[in-house]
Amino acid sequence: NAGVTQTPKFRVLKTGQSMTLLCAQDMNHEYMYWYRQDPGMGLRLIHYSVGEGTTAKGEVPDGYNVSRLKKQNFLLGLESAAPSQTSVYFCASKLWAGNEQFFGPGTRLTVL
Amino acid sequence: DQQVKQNSPSLSVQEGRISILNCDYTNSMFDYFLWYKKYPAEGPTFLISISSIKDKNEDGRFTVFLNKSAKHLSLHIVPSQPGDSAVYFCAALDQTGANNLFFGTGTRLTVIP
Repeated sequence: NAGVTQTPKFRVLKTGQSMTLLCAQDMNHEYMYWYRQDPGMGLRLIHYSVGEGTTAKGEVPDGYNVSRLKKQNFLLGLESAAPSQTSVYFCASKLWAGNEQFFGPGTRLTVL
Repeated sequence: DQQVKQNSPSLSVQEGRISILNCDYTNSMFDYFLWYKKYPAEGPTFLISISSIKDKNEDGRFTVFLNKSAKHLSLHIVPSQPGDSAVYFCAALDQTGANNLFFGTGTRLTVIP
């Protein structure tokens, strides 16, 4: 049982490049989330999904897109990366009936 | 606007003493609160939670207190151990809403041996 995994762990992009971050969970959780963590800002919700095929915007969705084609995977896309998207990105998941979210180890992204 | 606030960015405590981490919130609809612990280069891990129908929840060395009228909660760790050194995030949830967590900015706890 790997829990929540994230790929890649680190990435450096140039401004304007695109990339996709992959989150996978093997706990059969219905809900999945993408957060970003910046110094002094805590964790802020980017997008979330309450089930396969559904996504919704969080607090800071601009510049990001997401897809949930399979229940176990939640993808976060950056179409045209900007330096302001330099951050640590965390994926999380939870059961429909639960309150506790389980987090992945994070992806550190630097946009030059 | 930050709905969950942790006004102390850092806290240092001697090993064996009590650590008290504080959290304030502004949204009266929040009815469930969680504390997460985060080590460097790892994701946050759940520590303890409390429902708004309670004012205290205890789990071993960790106790969370909730004062609804003051919109304030605190996490007590006693006795503090060096392995408790981490960043602690307070999070709040409106169970009647979209069920999303709102996080504070975190408090870095250092337990000095």
